[in-house]
Amino acid sequence: EVQLLESGGGLVHPGGSLRLSCAASGFDFSNHAMTWVRQAPGKGLEWVSSISGSGGSIYYADSVKGRFTISRDSSRDTLYLQMSNLRAGDTAVYHCARLPLELGVLEPFDFWGNGSLVTVSS
Amino acid sequence: EVVLTQSPNFQSVTPKEKVTITCRASQAVGSSLHWYQKKTDQSPKLLIKYASQSVSGVPSRFSGSGSGTDFTLTINSLEAEDAAVYFCHQSYDSHTFGQGTKLEI
Repeated sequence: EVQLLESGGGLVHPGGSLRLSCAASGFDFSNHAMTWVRQAPGKGLEWVSSISGSGGSIYYADSVKGRFTISRDSSRDTLYLQMSNLRAGDTAVYHCARLPLELGVLEPFDFWGNGSLVTVSS
Repeated sequence: EVVLTQSPNFQSVTPKEKVTITCRASQAVGSSLHWYQKKTDQSPKLLIKYASQSVSGVPSRFSGSGSGTDFTLTINSLEAEDAAVYFCHQSYDSHTFGQGTKLEI
């Protein structure tokens, strides 16, 4: 059974940093691209970043480029999102999700985690 | 950015009813349009991929159609367990999502 479990969310002050983790199980992690998607309170879903199975191809939304860093550790079957210079507008539930292919990042997201809440507030 | 607009935003329905949710894209996305279901306190679940392709494990009462800019998710013979938020997602040009349609049963 495919499982994705996010952790690392919490309350952080504006300008602060936080690292989210997504522990994957039930599939060959290195054979799948992965992505982060967020949903701010009362708002729709917003794609944040994607990474290929090897980690060699990385993509970011303009809203987080230069502040967020996506990475993955195949030895731990874990996806990460390092977030820095956080703003109030980054407050959201952050979901990790799996893509069906290793290289293709323009694909549907076939499995999702429940999400981790990040609150940016003073 | 491709903007996806769903209608309706909310619908109150009864079991065994047929439900249709539409998703309109601000520009053509080919068939790269996918549908998801999200129930309270659960992770989103992929229902239909590439406009009309079925997904393993999803009940056959869920179907999709459309291409280009206009897409439809149809739920035949609605069941009580189908109460959820449904949203569309395009992967033709980066990724964007519809605002969601809440089905109340």
